[in-house]
Amino acid sequence: QSALTQPASVSGSPGQSITFSCSGTSNDAGDYNYVSWYQQLPGKAPKLVIYEVTNRPSGVSNRFSGSKSGNTASLTISGLQAEDEGDYYCSSYTRNNPLNYAFGTGTKVSVL
Amino acid sequence: VQLVESGGGVVQPGKSLRLTCTASGFTFSGYAMHWVRQAPGKGLEWVAVVSSDGSDKFYSDSMKGRFAISRDNSKNTLSLQMNSLRAEDTAVYYCAKSPYSSAYYNCFENWGQGTLVTVSS
Repeated sequence: QSALTQPASVSGSPGQSITFSCSGTSNDAGDYNYVSWYQQLPGKAPKLVIYEVTNRPSGVSNRFSGSKSGNTASLTISGLQAEDEGDYYCSSYTRNNPLNYAFGTGTKVSVL
Repeated sequence: VQLVESGGGVVQPGKSLRLTCTASGFTFSGYAMHWVRQAPGKGLEWVAVVSSDGSDKFYSDSMKGRFAISRDNSKNTLSLQMNSLRAEDTAVYYCAKSPYSSAYYNCFENWGQGTLVTVSS
C-alpha cells in the first residue's frame, strides 16, 4: 500500500510551536477520520499521541494537537521541549484490499 | 498494559520463524491486535491485524500468503508465523494493541518493545 507523505524533517527552538503535515488520498486520510500520530524517541518503541485526527490519549501532554483538512492531516507541537526530539509518524486506516493501515514516511523533529 | 514479543533471531533466506507476543494487564480477548515492523533505519510498516475473537484477519499486500497471524485468547498470546523469509523481511517486529475489538478503523494504542528478525545466510 502507498505510504502517506510527510516532510522529512522539521526543527524549532524551545518554546516555539511547530506543525507538520501528513498527505494522503481520498482512499485513506481524506476518506476517514481515523488518522493517528505516533512519537518514536531514539531507541524506543512508538507511542500513540493523537488518534481519530484530534483526540489525545490519557497521559499525553496537551501540547500535542491534531487537525485535518481534506486529504491532509497535521500535528502541532506547542511549547517545544528538548524531550520532544524524535521521529513522528502518521497512520490512517484505508479501504484497500479490503483494508489496510498506511503509515506516513516519518518526520524527524529537531529541537535547536 | 504490557506486551512482550519473543521469537526473533537470525534465520536463513527461505526459512520460517514464529513470533509470539505475550499480553498482560488488560482483557486480551476484548481487543484486536496488530503486528507492525520497522526495517533498520527505516519507517514503520503495518503487517497484519486479527480481530478480538480471531474471526477476521487481514494482511499487508506485500506479506499476504507468506505470513499468518493468529491468537490464543486462553493463553493471552498473539503469534506471527513467517514463511519463505527474504532479506527484506529483516526488521524489528512490534505487536500493538487496538482500542477496539474490530479489525476495522483502528489505531495502535499500545506497543511492545519489539523483537529483531534478521534474515541472512
